[in-house]
Amino acid sequence: AQSVTQLDSQVPVFEEAPVELRCNYSSSVSVYLFWYVQYPNQGLQLLLKYLSGSTLVKGINGFEAEFNKSQTSFHLRKPSVHISDTAEYFCAVTPNYGGSQGNLIFGKGTKLSVKP
Amino acid sequence: DVKVTQSSRYLVKRTGEKVFLECVQDMDHENMFWYRQDPGLGLRLIYFSYDVKMKEKGDIPEGYSVSREKKERFSLILESASTNQTSMYLCASSAVAGERETQYFGPGTRLLVL
Repeated sequence: AQSVTQLDSQVPVFEEAPVELRCNYSSSVSVYLFWYVQYPNQGLQLLLKYLSGSTLVKGINGFEAEFNKSQTSFHLRKPSVHISDTAEYFCAVTPNYGGSQGNLIFGKGTKLSVKP
Repeated sequence: DVKVTQSSRYLVKRTGEKVFLECVQDMDHENMFWYRQDPGLGLRLIYFSYDVKMKEKGDIPEGYSVSREKKERFSLILESASTNQTSMYLCASSAVAGERETQYFGPGTRLLVL
């Protein structure tokens, strides 16, 4: 079974400051990793995903994440945030073996609040 | 672009009512999912379907049922709504080939049960 831990439930930050949202996972098999973003009163939108290859993954809106297998982490970063980045961010994993039906296991979310 | 639509954005129902939440996707995806989202709990899988007329229980199926009569449509049914089913409900779909690992989400239905 897999599990995902998002270490911070809320992260306040000032505009133009850098931010890191932390995600750790636990799994006995290899996984694919995702970050989704949810703006107020909307559904989830894919930010980025790690499937294989380079451990540094770039996504939309200037976000990037780094897969660290030894630390079982997939932290999300942005060098300079905007007010419009205020949203809730979800880390998720799914097993990457052939028999998997692609069920996502989500963390509990991190609310990013960007202040002027 | 993949589009997943949900029949209502907001819904208010009374305890004991039968509630239908509809989800439609336009990308010919085989897999469809229903989640509920509660503050501090993230998203929890209720049911999923990997083919027409097929369904599998997720982590929290109690009090819910589903129906998938057509490939593009996946319905979530609350047979007798209760106040503890007040929540945000999110539908998602994914393919079984190509980008099979990526789920696409609808805008959500916020359900209030009084």
